[in-house]
Amino acid sequence: AQSVTQLGSHVSVSEGALVLLRCNYSSSVPPYLFWYVQYPNQGLQLLLKYTSAATLVKGINGFEAEFKKSETSFHLTKPSAHMSDAAEYFCAVSLRGGNTGKLIFGQGTTLQVKP
Amino acid sequence: DTAVSQTPKYLVTQMGNDKSIKCEQNLGHDTMYWYKQDSKKFLKIMFSYNNKELIINETVPNRFSPKSPDKAHLNLHINSLELGDSAVYFCASSVVAGTGELFFGEGSRLTVL
Repeated sequence: AQSVTQLGSHVSVSEGALVLLRCNYSSSVPPYLFWYVQYPNQGLQLLLKYTSAATLVKGINGFEAEFKKSETSFHLTKPSAHMSDAAEYFCAVSLRGGNTGKLIFGQGTTLQVKP
Repeated sequence: DTAVSQTPKYLVTQMGNDKSIKCEQNLGHDTMYWYKQDSKKFLKIMFSYNNKELIINETVPNRFSPKSPDKAHLNLHINSLELGDSAVYFCASSVVAGTGELFFGEGSRLTVL
């Protein structure tokens, strides 16, 4: 069975500081991995996805994530936080080659950005 | 022009009532979903339809009945509402089932009193 664990339900950084949101996954087959962002009172928006051989994935708004199979991790980073990055971030996994499109989400990490 | 739109955005109702949430996508996608987000922001899939055919039904109480009249629409009807049904319900769509890249609506916040 697949699962996702996000380490840290709340992360607080200062504006301009590095953002690091942690995600570990469990999957019996090579997975597809995703990061979504949810701004207050809005739906989820795709930040980036890992679906192929490129282990360093660049997404929107300056975010990137690195797939590390040996560590079963897919941590999200951004070199310099902006106030506008404050939101809820979700890591998700789906079954590679599956035909259901079912996403399993982590429990989410709230990112707070302090001025 | 909203890609995935849900109505209503907010719904407040009494226990025991029946309510519906509608979803429409104009992206030409084949697959649509309903996800439930609880008060702790945990997201869980409820249903998925591919070209009007139900392909995922995640042990949801049968008080919840999805209906897909065509591949651009997926509605959710809930009978005999309970307090525990209070949540935000998200509709989503994707191009091909299996890739996991979903496009979400803005959510419908249901409050059961």
